[in-house]
Amino acid sequence: AQKITQTQPGMFVQEKEAVTLDCTYDTSDQSYGLFWYKQPSSGEMIFLIYQGSYDEQNATEGRYSLNFQKARKSANLVISASQLGDSAMYFCAMREDTGRRALTFGSGTRLQVQP
Amino acid sequence: EAGVAQSPRYKIIEKRQSVAFWCNPISGHATLYWYQQILGQGPKLLIQFQNNGVVDDSQLPKDRFSAERLKGVDSTLKIQPAKLEDSAVYLCASSLGRISDTQYFGPGTRLTVL
Repeated sequence: AQKITQTQPGMFVQEKEAVTLDCTYDTSDQSYGLFWYKQPSSGEMIFLIYQGSYDEQNATEGRYSLNFQKARKSANLVISASQLGDSAMYFCAMREDTGRRALTFGSGTRLQVQP
Repeated sequence: EAGVAQSPRYKIIEKRQSVAFWCNPISGHATLYWYQQILGQGPKLLIQFQNNGVVDDSQLPKDRFSAERLKGVDSTLKIQPAKLEDSAVYLCASSLGRISDTQYFGPGTRLTVL
């Protein structure tokens, strides 16, 4: 069974600094996808970035990058130049590409950006 | 392009009452998901549709929860009768249905059962 672990319940970062949110996963599948979502206090899950298990390069989307280390089964999110609007819950999720393709989510990390 | 729409945004009911949530996915998205997110946790899948057929409902409490997706577009999730532990945010998501596609979420419905 697939499992996602986020070990940081909460993180603080100063505005304009970079921050890394940790995510480790467990799966027996060879083909899978890893996702990060942002959930502000309004409740909507906002897609940030995707990494496929066969992608050789780390994914980047603007200020977001995904540090993918397949051998360690980790998929950490790096946010560069933090902004006050980045304060939110962040969820790591995985989807196995065989069988059911629903997402399995971690427990989330609450990020607070301080001025 | 319009996103995933959900209604209502908030609902307060008493235990043993019934409630229904509505979801309209992104146009052209074949796959629709309902997730339950209990406070302090990540979302958990309740049911997955591909067009108007059920792909996975293994985690749906079928004694009280039901869902349908008529004509492969809109979907309704119903709880009858509600229990206190059903208090949660119910999130609807949709995707194109291809292997590597992304799921896009609606704003959710926050249910409080008193």
